[in-house]
Amino acid sequence: DAGITQSPRHKVTETGTPVTLRCHQTENHRYMYWYRQDPGHGLRLIHYSYGVKDTDKGEVSDGYSVSRSKTEDFLLTLESATSSQTSVYFCATSLNPPSGGAYNEQFFGPGTRLTVL
Amino acid sequence: GIQVEQSPPDLILQEGANSTLRCNFSDSVNNLQWFHQNPWGQLINLFYIPSGTKQNGRLSATTVATERYSLLYISSSQTTDSGVYFCAVIPRSGGSNYKLTFGKGTLLTVNP
Repeated sequence: DAGITQSPRHKVTETGTPVTLRCHQTENHRYMYWYRQDPGHGLRLIHYSYGVKDTDKGEVSDGYSVSRSKTEDFLLTLESATSSQTSVYFCATSLNPPSGGAYNEQFFGPGTRLTVL
Repeated sequence: GIQVEQSPPDLILQEGANSTLRCNFSDSVNNLQWFHQNPWGQLINLFYIPSGTKQNGRLSATTVATERYSLLYISSSQTTDSGVYFCAVIPRSGGSNYKLTFGKGTLLTVNP
């Protein structure tokens, strides 16, 4: 499996505060993703990156921004956290693009549990 | 978008029993993965299997792409197999071909 770490693993914050979650990978995978997991909704894609400084929106991107200044790091920022952003956040990576070809298997990090009070 | 349906939604087994989990999907896929989410929340890759058959120890999986389904077999189940099993796919075409679409999962409980 890809070496993927997420930090912090747990965070409690207050409504209106900024929060940044970090994903770090050691496998030199080009593609990185942020998902959130919520009861009744499963896992949903927030943003993804297809290279350094190249990012795009997923299906639930409102209220989130991302940055990727190095291959190994993908940051997810909640500019002003809201209670609806309480969730478990997963980072994932893949060697190749998500569509077409082999080696597009996605590997997931351990997750970050975020609580917004 | 593509639809992914998993069955059964819940399954309770005694240790040592065998089981089959099913994943149906509504369109052609480039990627199909099976995951196990353990009780601590970690998503563990089991198989990357857009077509064909693979085996890994007590687990095996088969995907029949032309009929749009995949099966996950667990033999001689152990209590550590408990958790939620997810099937996830990426469609071959259409606007959502950049993300994994997950099924709702099968909650497996293995009792000692």
